[in-house]
Amino acid sequence: TQLLEQSPQFLSIQEGENLTVYCNSSSVFSSLQWYRQEPGEGPVLLVTVVTGGEVKKLKRLTFQFGDARKDSSLHITAAQPGDTGLYLCAGARVSQGNLIFGKGTKLSVKP
Amino acid sequence: SQTIHQWPATLVQPVGSPLSLECTVEGTSNPNLYWYRQAAGRGLQLLFYSVGIGQISSEVPQNLSASRPQDRQFILSSKKLLLSDSGFYLCAWSVRRGRTGELFFGEGSRLTVL
Repeated sequence: TQLLEQSPQFLSIQEGENLTVYCNSSSVFSSLQWYRQEPGEGPVLLVTVVTGGEVKKLKRLTFQFGDARKDSSLHITAAQPGDTGLYLCAGARVSQGNLIFGKGTKLSVKP
Repeated sequence: SQTIHQWPATLVQPVGSPLSLECTVEGTSNPNLYWYRQAAGRGLQLLFYSVGIGQISSEVPQNLSASRPQDRQFILSSKKLLLSDSGFYLCAWSVRRGRTGELFFGEGSRLTVL
């Protein structure tokens, strides 16, 4: 059973387009994190959201945590080729010490 | 600032040979340490985690083992590699008792078993 479902799995867009990727679960998380991973490298933490309904912005990236703390979204405005990579969401639960990772969304932004 | 380094970056090994991947963390004390495996550039599978020296928890029964001989050193080993052990191995650390469990990853080690 995949506790964190990410969609879409793959996304190929042109430079300048906007996009949204989703991370959904039936479980409640105490916090949720987004990572970006480039080929051949380790994932890099982008943001952590903690409060239900929280919105965080990182330049052209906007992250939102659902009110019920079961889901999250990542919106990228005016995507650039440098945004290309695998976007992973990971949830933390109080009852479980380790993070639960989604399978990721592989984003390709073409110039 | 904290840094994490793992090596080797790339490894090609024959079936049945031993394995040792090393990971060290600098700039922090008493971290939680983790080994993950990532197949085909996708989801992360937690293999081992450690909350202290000599304390190892295994998440998935398999051909691998882990050891933590020092506070900031984590080693992934195998006595005899299988073809199915091929993959991208990632070491990570987090703050012990951190509320959000944020992970900081190493650069990864690509293992190919032939």
